[in-house]
Amino acid sequence: ILNVEQSPQSLHVQEGDSTNFTCSFPSSNFYALHWYRWETAKSPEALFVMTLNGDEKKKGRISATLNTKEGYSYLYIKGSQPEDSATYLCASVYGGSQGNLIFGKGTKLSVKP
Amino acid sequence: DVKVTQSSRYLVKRTGEKVFLECVQDMDHENMFWYRQDPGLGLRLIYFSYDVKMKEKGDIPEGYSVSREKKERFSLILESASTNQTSMYLCASSLRGQGDTEAFFGQGTRLTVV
Repeated sequence: ILNVEQSPQSLHVQEGDSTNFTCSFPSSNFYALHWYRWETAKSPEALFVMTLNGDEKKKGRISATLNTKEGYSYLYIKGSQPEDSATYLCASVYGGSQGNLIFGKGTKLSVKP
Repeated sequence: DVKVTQSSRYLVKRTGEKVFLECVQDMDHENMFWYRQDPGLGLRLIYFSYDVKMKEKGDIPEGYSVSREKKERFSLILESASTNQTSMYLCASSLRGQGDTEAFFGQGTRLTVV
């Protein structure tokens, strides 16, 4: 079973702080890396899907980078707000898997006002 | 607004019962997935389907089966529910491909087996 690791497991920050988390994944036969945000009592929602080494994507205050050769991705949140409080999941996809997502355990972010 | 809808938000069943969890998507997606989420373990894949009547086992298929008779509907079946199947179940769908398109999730079904 392929293993996707996320760190830290949880994070508490103050409003206005910038923060980042890590997703590590096996780099062989890699195809794509997904980031999702999962707020309490809601469905997980996609933030980014990245496939290319060196790719960087941005959505508002949130951005992500991808290094497929060393097998990691960073998610950055600039100027955290209370509404950013959620669990952030990453998932990797491997060639020949028909799009099967392998998820990490997530990073739970709490932003205090 | 795209939608993945799971039939129940909360469900309580007795040990030994046959349980059906239904999932319907309205996006004409080929791929559909069933995951379960347990504290400290993250999302684990039970089964997925990339076409009607096609199914593939995920990481934890034991005690489960699935049915995909129509493209929009993917059912998860617990043949004989047990207490260790108490969990949050999430359905998802995505376009056919190799995983470079986002998955859309249902709201989850929290199943308790007593």
